[in-house]
Amino acid sequence: NAGVTQTPKFRVLKTGQSMTLLCAQDMNHEYMYWYRQDPGMGLRLIHYSVGEGTTAKGEVPDGYNVSRLKKQNFLLGLESAAPSQTSVYFCASSHRMVIQYFGAGTRLSVL
Amino acid sequence: GENVEQHPSTLSVQEGDSAVIKCTYSDSASNYFPWYKQELGKRPQLIIDIRSNVGEKKDQRIAVTLNKTAKHFSLHITETQPEDSAVYFCAAIRAGGTSYGKLTFGQGTILTVHP
Repeated sequence: NAGVTQTPKFRVLKTGQSMTLLCAQDMNHEYMYWYRQDPGMGLRLIHYSVGEGTTAKGEVPDGYNVSRLKKQNFLLGLESAAPSQTSVYFCASSHRMVIQYFGAGTRLSVL
Repeated sequence: GENVEQHPSTLSVQEGDSAVIKCTYSDSASNYFPWYKQELGKRPQLIIDIRSNVGEKKDQRIAVTLNKTAKHFSLHITETQPEDSAVYFCAAIRAGGTSYGKLTFGQGTILTVHP
């Protein structure tokens, strides 16, 4: 039981490049989330999903897209990376909406 | 939407002292309040939580109190140890019914425990 697994752990992009972050959970959770963490700003919700095939916008969705084609996977895409998207990204999952298990995080730098 | 304010942003204590972190929330419908601890370079981990039908909850050296009327809740750590040094986040959510489970986090408190 690996819990919530994120790949990659680190990535450096140039402005304008695209990339996809993968989150996988093996706990059969319905709910999955993508957060970004910036110094002094806590964790801010980017997008979330309440089930396979469904996604919704969170607090800071601009510049990101997501997909939940399989229940266990939640992908976060950056189509054209910007320096403002330099951050640490955390994926999380939960069963009953209230307790979230976090992945180890992806540290992204956009130059 | 919900807004959670957390204070202080930094807290420095001597080993053995107590530490208190306070949060206020805006949505009176919020009914579940978890606290997370994040060590340097690690993922946030749930350490304790409290539901709105309870005023206080304890787990060894940590406790959480909730005042629904004032819409604030606090984390108390007694007999602090150097390994308690971390960033602590409070959060609030309206859970149940048609809620889709969006946690709103506070900005975090950097706790440093000096030996």
